[in-house]
Amino acid sequence: EVHLVESGGAVVQPGGSLRLSCAGSGFIFDEYTMHWFRQVPGKGLEWISLITWDGGSTFYSDSMKGRFTISRDNRKNLVYLQMNSLRSEDTALYHCVKEKSRVFDYWGQGTLVTVSS
Amino acid sequence: ILMTQSPATLSVSPGDRATLSCRASQSVSSALAWFQQKPGQPPRLLIYGASTRATGIPARFSGSGSGTEFILTISSLQSEDFAVYYCHQYHSWPPGTFGPGTKVEIK
Repeated sequence: EVHLVESGGAVVQPGGSLRLSCAGSGFIFDEYTMHWFRQVPGKGLEWISLITWDGGSTFYSDSMKGRFTISRDNRKNLVYLQMNSLRSEDTALYHCVKEKSRVFDYWGQGTLVTVSS
Repeated sequence: ILMTQSPATLSVSPGDRATLSCRASQSVSSALAWFQQKPGQPPRLLIYGASTRATGIPARFSGSGSGTEFILTISSLQSEDFAVYYCHQYHSWPPGTFGPGTKVEIK
């Protein structure tokens, strides 16, 4: 059974940094592209970034490019999201998502990031 | 590609059929998925390729359509089906586009 478990969410001050982690299990981790999404409770889904199976290619939402960095460690079955220069509007639940042939087939429960002074 | 969903809210009695619509601003062929999201839970993949049920999804969920018009049908609503439903086109990539969602509530 596929499991994705995010961690690293916290309360952080504006301008601060945070690194989120996502541990994948139940599938061959290094065969799949992984994504990060976020969602403000009660609102829609916002795509953040993707990283290909080998880490060779990454893509970002224009609104987060330059502040967020995605990476992965296939030896540890982990994908990361480094977030810098955080703003209040970055407050959201952050989800790690597995992709298969452009379909988002499994989602983690999410980790909550709150940006507040 | 912009995605719209209608209605925004659908009030249905348990046991009734629910029909949800999703429209794309231009053709996405069959690159269309449906997700269900319950409060406090992440989205769950229901349908991909416009009409293929994902692993473990009950047969009461069915998808149809191609091009710009898509339908998700829930043949007989169960209590656990009351949720928000999103469509997602993945023809343009990355990352595709989600619709705004349809909330299915108890009538």
